[in-house]
Order: sequence, then structure tokens, then C-alpha cells
Amino acid sequence: QVQLVQSGAEVKKPGASVRVSCKASGYTFTAYYIHWVRQAPGHGLEWMGWINPNSGGTDSAQKFQGRVTMTRDTSITTLYLEVSGLSIDDTAVYYCAREAFPLGDSLCGALDYWGQGALVTVSS
Amino acid sequence: DNVMTQSPLSLPVTPGEPASISCRSSQSLLYSNGYNYLNWYVQKPGQSPQLLIYLGSNRASGVPDRFSGSGSGTDFTLKISRVEAEDVGVYYCMQVTQTASATFGPGTKLQIK
Repeated sequence: QVQLVQSGAEVKKPGASVRVSCKASGYTFTAYYIHWVRQAPGHGLEWMGWINPNSGGTDSAQKFQGRVTMTRDTSITTLYLEVSGLSIDDTAVYYCAREAFPLGDSLCGALDYWGQGALVTVSS
Repeated sequence: DNVMTQSPLSLPVTPGEPASISCRSSQSLLYSNGYNYLNWYVQKPGQSPQLLIYLGSNRASGVPDRFSGSGSGTDFTLKISRVEAEDVGVYYCMQVTQTASATFGPGTKLQIK
């Protein structure tokens, strides 16, 4: 069965960086886009970006460009999200989620499997 | 940027009654392939979001048929024909632009009366 298992909670100081991992299993890793979505406490969902696990190509929301890096390691079917220059406002649960349709179809944002989320707390 | 709005933001519903949530986009989501790039999600308390409806009107696998999605272009609606207690949660619409950038709506909190 398809599973996305994320790394554990992190506590970081302002200005630091954090890397969240997302271990994928149960499907062909390189065949489906992965999106990253975050949710600040008591707030709604915020789309951050996607990665093509086959090519490594990425795109991110304008507000995150230059501060977010999405990568993957195909040998261990794991995706990574790194956020640099953390501020208090980056305190959130970070989710990875799989696009439902294979690469080759246009991205439509239908995210059928989600990780359990990774809480990142930024505090001085 | 494409802006998504939802209404209402809070929706108290009596079990067994219908419910309806509206989602509006500032740009048309109907693309040249004939599909509307609009999806609906629900986030139940303490859980990760779940896909309900994709491409405007297609129910995701395992979603009960009391959920339906409709609309085209800039105006979309999620309907629940008969609300059950398990439907409590926050409902989000989410759009993808032709440049493959996405945005979620602000969310609608469905509560049981």
C-alpha cells in the first residue's frame, strides 16, 4: 500500500534551517509528483511547491522562492524539504502529498496520499 | 496571483440535512483540455487532509456518493446530500494554474448542530 512517512518534530531557532524528510513506499517512486503543503497552528493549508522525483525538477510558490529547496534521493525513495532563514511565522506542520496521476499527465493538484505531517517549531 | 475565496467560512448543519460550500477563483480554472483544475479536500480533526473531489466533479476513491462537486470556470460548489457526524472538519478547495502553481482556499469549517 502507498505510504508517505515523514520525519519527526523539530525545534529550531530563528535564522536556522530545517530539513523535513518524506519516505515513500508502495508505488513507483519516480512516477508521481510530490507536493509540499504546510499548516500553521490554527490556520489553513498553504501550498509550498512540488518536485518531479524522476527529473528532480521543482517549482514553488513565489513567497517561498529562494528560501525553500526540494530534493529527492531515488536510491532510498525519500523526498526532502529544506527551509532556510526560519522565522516564527514558519512554525507549522509540514506535509508531503502525492499527486494522484502519473508524470506525463499535467499537474492537477489531486493529492491522494498524504504524510502524517512534521511539526516544525521556530522559537528563540 | 490567483485568489481563492470560499463561503461560508463556518457551516453548522443538522445531521441528515444537506450542505453546500461555494468556492470562487479570480481566474478561470477551465483549461483547453476541457478540465477544471479545482479539487476539494477535507481535513478532519487531528488528521492529514483527504482528497474528496478532483478536476471539479470526480469523486476520489472511497469517497461516499453523498459528496458531489460541480461548477466550471470560476465558480464551484461542493455538496453533501445528507450530512453525517463523521463529516465534521474543515473543507478546502484547491486550484492549480496552467503554470502548475497551486493555491488553497481559506477553508470552511463544518460543524454539527
